[in-house]
Amino acid sequence: DQQVKQNSPSLSVQEGRISILNCDYTNSMFDYFLWYKKYPAEGPTFLISISSIKDKNEDGRFTVFLNKSAKHLSLHIVPSQPGDSAVYFCAASARTGANNLFFGTGTRLTVIP
Amino acid sequence: SQTIHQWPATLVQPVGSPLSLECTVEGTSNPNLYWYRQAAGRGLQLLFYSVGIGQISSEVPQNLSASRPQDRQFILSSKKLLLSDSGFYLCAWRTAGGFTEAFFGQGTRLTVV
Repeated sequence: DQQVKQNSPSLSVQEGRISILNCDYTNSMFDYFLWYKKYPAEGPTFLISISSIKDKNEDGRFTVFLNKSAKHLSLHIVPSQPGDSAVYFCAASARTGANNLFFGTGTRLTVIP
Repeated sequence: SQTIHQWPATLVQPVGSPLSLECTVEGTSNPNLYWYRQAAGRGLQLLFYSVGIGQISSEVPQNLSASRPQDRQFILSSKKLLLSDSGFYLCAWRTAGGFTEAFFGQGTRLTVV
């Protein structure tokens, strides 16, 4: 059962425009959410995170928004750059239990120059 | 600083052969350790996690096993590989508890032929 879902397998955006990647989760115990970026044949690298006590966290061009009532989070990249082209994974964890990270299926972002 | 090493980077093995993938972490103590698999066109599936030496938990039933003989060493094994074991295997570590990110190794591309 997929507890973290990314329903858009791919997204194409023009350079300089905003990229919005979406993620939904089902487990109401999740209280920490992360975004990772992954290039082919490499491990994912951490981008940005947010805890459930916040609804927004910003780091440079990257902003993550959390809507707990809708169990939805999104990653905004502004402005998008060709180097942002990669697969983006959403992940979530709960401090109770094993505190494992559960990942979505990923969204492949292509930024067109 | 903390680093994570995972090897080999690529591996081609015949069906029925054994498997051993190794992962070591430096610069931290008592980390939580994880093995993930990314199958073609799919997300990151958690296979095993460990919160301490000799403590292994499995998230999915499968043909694989894991062991943690030392605090910062995590090994993924199989006695007899199946075709369906092909994929990209990732080792990760995370500080136990709290709101923290996981750090990934570079991954191992396993092809079972």
